Amino acid sequence: GDSVTQMEGPVTLSEEAFLTINCTYTATGYPSLFWYVQYPGEGLQLLLKATKADDKGSNKGFEATYRKETTSFHLEKGSVQVSDSAVYFCALLDSNYQLIWGAGTKLIIKP
Amino acid sequence: GAGVSQSPSNKVTEKGKDVELRCDPISGHTALYWYRQSLGQGLEFLIYFQGNSAPDKSGLPSDRFSAERTGGSVSTLTIQRTQQEDSAVYLCASSLTPAANTGELFFGEGSRLTVL
Repeated sequence: GDSVTQMEGPVTLSEEAFLTINCTYTATGYPSLFWYVQYPGEGLQLLLKATKADDKGSNKGFEATYRKETTSFHLEKGSVQVSDSAVYFCALLDSNYQLIWGAGTKLIIKP
Repeated sequence: GAGVSQSPSNKVTEKGKDVELRCDPISGHTALYWYRQSLGQGLEFLIYFQGNSAPDKSGLPSDRFSAERTGGSVSTLTIQRTQQEDSAVYLCASSLTPAANTGELFFGEGSRLTVL
C-alpha cells in the first residue's frame, strides 16, 4: 500500500538557519502531496500542497517541490524563526481520497 | 463555531471504564474523520463519515471502539472497557466533501486520553 516516510526528529536548529525536512513516498500513480504543521497547543493545519509532478507548494516562507523521479517532497525554508517550532507532517492523498501520513518531525528552533 | 471543536480536551480514566469523545465539525462539512496520535507516532486513521454513514471503518482497532454521527454534524467516538494502550490524543477533522477531496482537512485540537 501507499506510504510516507519522513526524517526522524527532533530537528534542532538555530534561528536564521536553513531548514530541510526530508519526505519520500511510495504510491501507485501520482498522488497529491501535502505538508501539515502542528504548532504547540493547536490543531494540525495545512501548510502547503502540490498536486502534480514538478509543482512547488509554498506558504509562510516554506517550499516543497514534487519530485516524481525521486518520489520526494522535501520541506525547505531559507531562514527559520523560533515561531516555526512545531511538528511537521508529510502526507499523500491516495486513490481512495484518504490521507496517508508520515510519522511527523518535531522541529525545535533555538534563539 | 468557526473551527472544529473537540471535547473533552483532556480525559483521565481508569482501566475498564468507558469514555466518550465528542467532535463538532465545521458547519457544512459533510466529511468527518477520526484519527489517533500516540506519543511520537504519526496519525493512525480510525474511521471516516460521509454524512451520517461510515463507509470506512477499517481503522477501528477493536470492537471496543465505535463511532456515530447524527444529523450530519456532531460525532461521538466511544471506547468501551478502556485499556492502557488506548492512551493517546484523538483527533477529529472535517472537510467539505471527500469526493472532491483536495486533501485539506480542518483539525480540532484533539482530546488527550490517559488510561491509568
